[in-house]
Amino acid sequence: KAGVTQTPRYLIKTRGQQVTLSCSPISGHRSVSWYQQTPGQGLQFLFEYFSETQRNKGNFPGRFSGRQFSNSRSEMNVSTLELGDSALYLCASSLNTASRNTEAFFGQGTRLTVV
Amino acid sequence: GENVEQHPSTLSVQEGDSAVIKCTYSDSASNYFPWYKQELGKRPQLIIDIRSNVGEKKDQRIAVTLNKTAKHFSLHITETQPEDSAVYFCAASMGGSQGNLIFGKGTKLSVKP
Repeated sequence: KAGVTQTPRYLIKTRGQQVTLSCSPISGHRSVSWYQQTPGQGLQFLFEYFSETQRNKGNFPGRFSGRQFSNSRSEMNVSTLELGDSALYLCASSLNTASRNTEAFFGQGTRLTVV
Repeated sequence: GENVEQHPSTLSVQEGDSAVIKCTYSDSASNYFPWYKQELGKRPQLIIDIRSNVGEKKDQRIAVTLNKTAKHFSLHITETQPEDSAVYFCAASMGGSQGNLIFGKGTKLSVKP
């Protein structure tokens, strides 16, 4: 079956702009998590959505937001972009239920560059 | 907040040697501990995982051990090969069983032929 798909793959934005990234999970997966990956900081958790509800949130400012649609596709939005937001943004989908963690499958990421 | 510490940040071994990467976690409610391998320019991929009701799990040359009391878990790779060279990330679930993985900062493993 198709894997996790993220669009776009690459993005260049100017400081102050806003951006929307998209993630299509594996069919049947209802949990979608977003991570920011930067050199030296590893994978930092942004938020997780499950059945259209934000279930967990990491320690990022309110400029970072997300949502999930009824088909489990998810978007994340970053407003008022800063140079420090330049990073690889990864999403991961899983079958996660309320009682059990399962393998998270990652997309290839969106490389965001803020200039 | 909750966090996962991973050591070492870089590890260089000779082909055929063993490699060990260690992680500690802070949330006593963590019950799921996956390890991911990320090759250069590629997405992270799961290589092995362990749940809190198990102390050790092995899959061919890879093994993971978990010490819940000490909140430690480790990845062991035996008979390393050049294709094992990559960045390895440990992770721990936070908030019990919900889908929130906190990752360590990664270990760059280099296996020299």
